[in-house]
Amino acid sequence: NAGVTQTPKFQVLKTGQSMTLQCAQDMNHEYMSWYRQDPGMGLRLIHYSVGAGITDQGEVPNGYNVSRSTTEDFPLRLLSAAPSQTSVYFCASSYTGRNYGYTFGSGTRLTVV
Amino acid sequence: GENVEQHPSTLSVQEGDSAVIKCTYSDSASNYFPWYKQELGKGPQLIIDIRSNVGEKKDQRIAVTLNKTAKHFSLHITETQPEDSAVYFCAASSFTGGGNKLTFGTGTQLKVEL
Repeated sequence: NAGVTQTPKFQVLKTGQSMTLQCAQDMNHEYMSWYRQDPGMGLRLIHYSVGAGITDQGEVPNGYNVSRSTTEDFPLRLLSAAPSQTSVYFCASSYTGRNYGYTFGSGTRLTVV
Repeated sequence: GENVEQHPSTLSVQEGDSAVIKCTYSDSASNYFPWYKQELGKGPQLIIDIRSNVGEKKDQRIAVTLNKTAKHFSLHITETQPEDSAVYFCAASSFTGGGNKLTFGTGTQLKVEL
């Protein structure tokens, strides 16, 4: 049971480039989300999805797009990378309904130069 | 929306001592409060959680308490060990149409010294 798998683990981008961070889970979780982690700021929600075909914005959605075509996958797209998007990105999933904890992936460390 | 504040940002204790991390939340509708441990280079891992109909929950050396009236909850680690050194995050849940949308605190770096 792999849990939540994120790829790549590390990435360096030039300003203006685009890329997709991949997230896949094999636990049949309906709920998936993306967070970014910056020093002193904790984990901030970028986008989330409550099921295939349904996505919504979180606290810091600007500059990011998501889609959810299957239950298993929830990719995060950076449209035109900026230095302010340098961060560690975590994907998390859980069952729907109240009171379920998240399972996190191991993260993607992104540097934009 | 929900706002979660966490204190202290860093905590250093001697091995065998207790450690306490405190969080406050703003949304009285929040009813689920998990705690996560993050080791260096890894994703956060759920270590304990508490629901709003419970005042205290214990799991071996860790315990969490919740005061709904004051809107604060705390993590207690007893008999600390070096492997407890990590960053700890509290969170509060705002249920949204099928999913738990968690708001996290800013984290506490716990260092257990020998």
